[in-house]
Amino acid sequence: GAGVSQSPSNKVTEKGKDVELRCDPISGHTALYWYRQRLGQGLEFLIYFQGNSAPDKSGLPSDRFSAERTGESVSTLTIQRTQQEDSAVYLCASRPGRGFTEAFFGQGTRLTVV
Amino acid sequence: AQSVTQLDSQVPVFEEAPVELRCNYSSSVSVYLFWYVQYPNQGLQLLLKYLSGSTLVKGINGFEAEFNKSQTSFHLRKPSVHISDTAEYFCAVSAIRGGGSNYKLTFGKGTLLTVNP
Repeated sequence: GAGVSQSPSNKVTEKGKDVELRCDPISGHTALYWYRQRLGQGLEFLIYFQGNSAPDKSGLPSDRFSAERTGESVSTLTIQRTQQEDSAVYLCASRPGRGFTEAFFGQGTRLTVV
Repeated sequence: AQSVTQLDSQVPVFEEAPVELRCNYSSSVSVYLFWYVQYPNQGLQLLLKYLSGSTLVKGINGFEAEFNKSQTSFHLRKPSVHISDTAEYFCAVSAIRGGGSNYKLTFGKGTLLTVNP
């Protein structure tokens, strides 16, 4: 499809395991965001990629969280040694390059740490 | 730094009643403003945006919002709601940077609008 695609849609993992979440942005979108949404909470900014610039990692909550993006395409968010407080919906969004427009969101990955 | 405050976490209303969802922001520079809607078990969808020009902006599904710079507000309104408007509504802000480069969106905590028959 033409929208932002995230996989898996649901992930249940045991505490202490590593998980990798994937985001395929809309083709041609240079900006990509990751947000975390805990139950009943707003969207918490995690990381922002813009083209070839250094990513803004200021929202990553701990060094267990990391993200990569290959060029202007796929991004992966990795959470190492998962904890129960990591349980949340992880949302990815993309936006075209220069010149402001809205961000388009994927359906999210629901992560449950048991 | 920028921040967004949505003053009401939950707003229950009856069908066909008017509704206002409040949003205030804080920023040291000029901003772009957005309202997103999230229906149950779905991703976020843009409702409307303010970039420049007229301070009254109209969005999808009959919603509108008014940018008030002096009050640093961007309240969302609808004159008559439907049961299908039941959803979570998020206000978001993005600082305007030089060179037209994009930057992060900062979201409020959301307002759950529940429309009852």
